Amino acid sequence: DAGITQSPRHKVTETGTPVTLRCHQTENHRYMYWYRQDPGHGLRLIHYSYGVKDTDKGEVSDGYSVSRSKTEDFLLTLESATSSQTSVYFCAISESRPGREPLPPTYEQYFGPGTRLTVT
Amino acid sequence: KNEVEQSPQNLTAQEGEFITINCSYSVGISALHWLQQHPGGGIVSLFMLSSGKKKHGRLIATINIQEKHSSLHITASHPRDSAVYICAVMGGTYKYIFGTGTRLKVLA
Repeated sequence: DAGITQSPRHKVTETGTPVTLRCHQTENHRYMYWYRQDPGHGLRLIHYSYGVKDTDKGEVSDGYSVSRSKTEDFLLTLESATSSQTSVYFCAISESRPGREPLPPTYEQYFGPGTRLTVT
Repeated sequence: KNEVEQSPQNLTAQEGEFITINCSYSVGISALHWLQQHPGGGIVSLFMLSSGKKKHGRLIATINIQEKHSSLHITASHPRDSAVYICAVMGGTYKYIFGTGTRLKVLA
């Protein structure tokens, strides 16, 4: 299994409080991702990183910010948590691998164990 | 219409049955990834494939790039196979496009 950990694994917090989730990898992979998973929606990309200090928004980025100051850590922050942010959050990592000619490179993602966040 | 469609959305089978889960996509891809998620659990990689067929134990995955279609087969299904199976495609970038998943329940 890829070396990916998430902390905390479970958190209950109140509306309006800030929350930071941490994703830590030991694989030295360049790309890191934060997803949320909700019933009926599957996995949705929040933010992703393509290198240290290089991040960009995904499809559901409102209310979230991220930071990546070193290769191994990718932090997801909810500045002021809302009940709509109750969800399971997954981190993933990937690295570029040469594709089978003539296909482009592949970026197989490996997922962390998830963090269950409840905002009351 | 979603770029990645899975069918069926829900599937109930009896132990021992042969199961097929389908994934169709409408974009050009470099590879397709099958993932498994047990209830309340993490997301586990099953197969990544860009052509042909792969087999691991009782699981077989096939892909037809020309038809933009992949199938995941489970032979001799078992209750421990009960999980959500997710298809994800790589469209030439480092981001995935996910299907909404197929929820499989195998009854003893």
